[in-house]
Amino acid sequence: DAGITQSPRYKITETGRQVTLMCHQTWSHSYMFWYRQDLGHGLRLIYYSAAADITDKGEVPDGYVVSRSKTENFPLTLESATRSQTSVYFCASSVGVGAIAFFGQGTRLTVV
Amino acid sequence: QKEVEQDPGPLSVPEGAIVSLNCTYSNSAFQYFMWYRQYSRKGPELLMYTYSSGNKEDGRFTAQVDKSSKYISLFIRDSQPSDSATYLCAMSARNAGGTSYGKLTFGQGTILTVHP
Repeated sequence: DAGITQSPRYKITETGRQVTLMCHQTWSHSYMFWYRQDLGHGLRLIYYSAAADITDKGEVPDGYVVSRSKTENFPLTLESATRSQTSVYFCASSVGVGAIAFFGQGTRLTVV
Repeated sequence: QKEVEQDPGPLSVPEGAIVSLNCTYSNSAFQYFMWYRQYSRKGPELLMYTYSSGNKEDGRFTAQVDKSSKYISLFIRDSQPSDSATYLCAMSARNAGGTSYGKLTFGQGTILTVHP
């Protein structure tokens, strides 16, 4: 099915471990985004990408790394996970005109 | 102070009520305004989209944008239990190229419960 697929849907990891969240879209949208959602903060932008090999920081980038070697994939890596990174992570994509973003189902990450 | 402020509620109404959800913002560059609906443990889905000021109606939903007051609203008429969800306002400014690539600033979200 077309759309955005995030994996895994749920993840528990230990403090200090590296973890990668995957995002794959089938629309060939140019723009892709990573948001985190926390109670009291809504959705906050972590990183975004305008095209393959073009990425930029959002509002809360510290502790995260992204890459985009292919248009359809936009993985998010937590280099050394901390408890404050316990959150629900959403990947989104956009065609680039009109500002409409389409979201994946989310990855619920718990850092213990 | 946050760029976008939204009352988190929670808001509880009886079935059939008119619901009013609101957001205020401070960035005068915002030109694209959206409302997303998010069911529990799901991703946000676009509900309404408005460019610049004005009203837009889609079935039981009406979105209003007042740029002079930096205030947007979503009205739900004849609310149904299936409308129970978190409603997120979101907005975006034009980028340098004259379009907007979907980089959104969100409100905190309002949790709505419609009880039978």
